[in-house]
This record gives sequence, structure tokens and C-alpha cells, in this order.
Amino acid sequence: NAGVTQTPKFQVLKTGQSMTLQCAQDMNHNSMYWYRQDPGMGLRLIYYSASEGTTDKGEVPNGYNVSRLNKREFSLRLESAAPSQTSVYFCASSDAQAGQPQHFGDGTRLSIL
Amino acid sequence: GDSVTQMEGPVTLSEEAFLTINCTYTATGYPSLFWYVQYPGEGLQLLLKATKADDKGSNKGFEATYRKETTSFHLEKGSVQVSDSAVYFCALSANDYKLSFGAGTTVTVRA
Repeated sequence: NAGVTQTPKFQVLKTGQSMTLQCAQDMNHNSMYWYRQDPGMGLRLIYYSASEGTTDKGEVPNGYNVSRLNKREFSLRLESAAPSQTSVYFCASSDAQAGQPQHFGDGTRLSIL
Repeated sequence: GDSVTQMEGPVTLSEEAFLTINCTYTATGYPSLFWYVQYPGEGLQLLLKATKADDKGSNKGFEATYRKETTSFHLEKGSVQVSDSAVYFCALSANDYKLSFGAGTTVTVRA
């Protein structure tokens, strides 16, 4: 099925470890997003990419880096994980006309011990 | 800054009941307004949207009207089904890509 695919679905890390969350979309969308979802806070934008080769910070970028590898893929990296980064992470995409995210992946549940 | 406030849940209803989820917003200018739905174990899906005052967004039997005078965008459905059990998020966008989300309202529909 077409859509946004995120890997892994679950991950447990120790404080200070690094990891990369992968995201790929097969809808030929220009824009891609990374959000985190925390209880009682809705979703908050971490980073945004309007097109291949461009990225912009969102509301909560500290502690994260991103790479827009090509039009399909947008990865999120935690260089030194902290317990405050325990969250559910969602990748999303949209076409140029939409402006806002249309399609979300199923999420990555990340726990930092 | 821009923000959205939606009614706290959880909301529990019986099938065929009427559902209303209140959403009010604070924003400078004229934002676009959205409702997203998140079914259990899945990512969010755009449910409906409205881009200017008095617009009505509708999808899957849900409706919401952009009320500038009351800064509201309440979600309604006349007859809910068990399959409507989900978390519903109100959101606004005052520029091209930044969405401000409400905290979400969990709705459970019992048969």
C-alpha cells in the first residue's frame, strides 16, 4: 500500500546512545516532517523539509538532526539520547499544494532509559 | 503565539449518539483549521479542513465550521459508530507548514 513507512516501530535505548529513525514515502511528495507526540501535548514539529536538500527547524529541534537523503527519504537522528526524548515519533508528508502534512506513518515508540 | 484548545476527554458514547468535540483557537491573522484522527496503533490522518471564515469542512459524516466570531472549529457527527473510536486532534496553521495541535480528545464508542 502507498504511504509513509517508518522504521523501527519500537526501540529502547540507553542514555547517551545514538540512533537514526528512518522514514520513506512513495507518493512523490515534496514536503516531509518529523513530529513527536507526548501525552497531553498533541504533536510538536521537530524538523521540516520542503524539498530534497532543504531542512528547517520546527518547535523542538534541540537534540536532533535530520537528513533529506532524496525525495523519498527523511531520517531523524538522535546523537546522544536523553530520557526527555522518550516519545512517539511520527514522520509525515504532503504534496506542494497541501502545505500541511497529509499522510502520517504509524510511528516509532522510543524509550530512553 | 498560535494555539489550540480542545475539550478534554475521554468521551464515551453509545452507537448512534451525537458527537461534539469543542475546539477553540488563538491566532494572529487568518489561520487554516484542521481536524486529524488517529485510530489505535496508527498515525494521524487528515479528517477535514477549512481555510477561511464560514467554510465548512466535511468527511466521513463529520463536519466542522470555521467560526471567526467565536474563534471555534467544533467537530460534530450525527450518529457515531464503533469504528469512530479514535483520538481526534484539532490543529491550526497560520503559515505554510507549521501546524499547532491541540492535546487530542479520546473518543470511545460502545456497541
